[in-house]
Amino acid sequence: QSALAQPPSASGSPGQSVTISCTGTSSDVGAYTYVSWYQQRPGKAPQLMIYEVSKRPSGVPVRFSGSKSGNTASLTVSGLQAEDEADYYCGSHAGSNYLVFGGGTKLTVL
Amino acid sequence: QVQVVESGGGVVQPGRSLRLSCAASGFIFSNYGMHWVRQAPGKGLEWVAVIWYDGSNKYYVDSVKGRFTISRDNSKNTLYLQMNSLRVEDTAVYYCARDPGPYYVDYWGQGTLVTVSS
Repeated sequence: QSALAQPPSASGSPGQSVTISCTGTSSDVGAYTYVSWYQQRPGKAPQLMIYEVSKRPSGVPVRFSGSKSGNTASLTVSGLQAEDEADYYCGSHAGSNYLVFGGGTKLTVL
Repeated sequence: QVQVVESGGGVVQPGRSLRLSCAASGFIFSNYGMHWVRQAPGKGLEWVAVIWYDGSNKYYVDSVKGRFTISRDNSKNTLYLQMNSLRVEDTAVYYCARDPGPYYVDYWGQGTLVTVSS
């Protein structure tokens, strides 16, 4: 059960757009439309931002969007704001391994 | 409002056991699958286990199979994680989380820290 691959860091200036990738395999990300994204601020519990590749829970700003192509999913944050600075994790259904997370990406707002 | 509150963490020696609990409120507990997810200090999230809404199915990450047991008591709105034969590498904050289905979690608790050390 290998973790999904995410870049360790990403950054952007306020107002810019940033995209974070999440690369899996044909047994997880590539096989299902069950990719989710979570935001975690320091010392806090994770918060769901995106589920089923591109759906946003109520209360999540429309600036957050998700997509998938093949074995790679992506989270895009448009119109970056200082409050978006956090760690972001992707997750995916993984068949018999049920659920697997990515290693996390630290997003810095410059 | 939806709340899940973990308890039972602490410091334990390698090879010993510990049971975590997660008290749920603000939703119909028996309608939802529930997960345990852990996070080692300074590390990323690791999914640990899931139990279906009625307890009929349970799945585990390979590293805890045979050592950890997830269970629930729907009459008490409580989720459990029995952890046996604990190892140093099990040291982590353990989160309880709700699964609205399928295959993601929406509400997370604040976590309970388990430290395995001699």
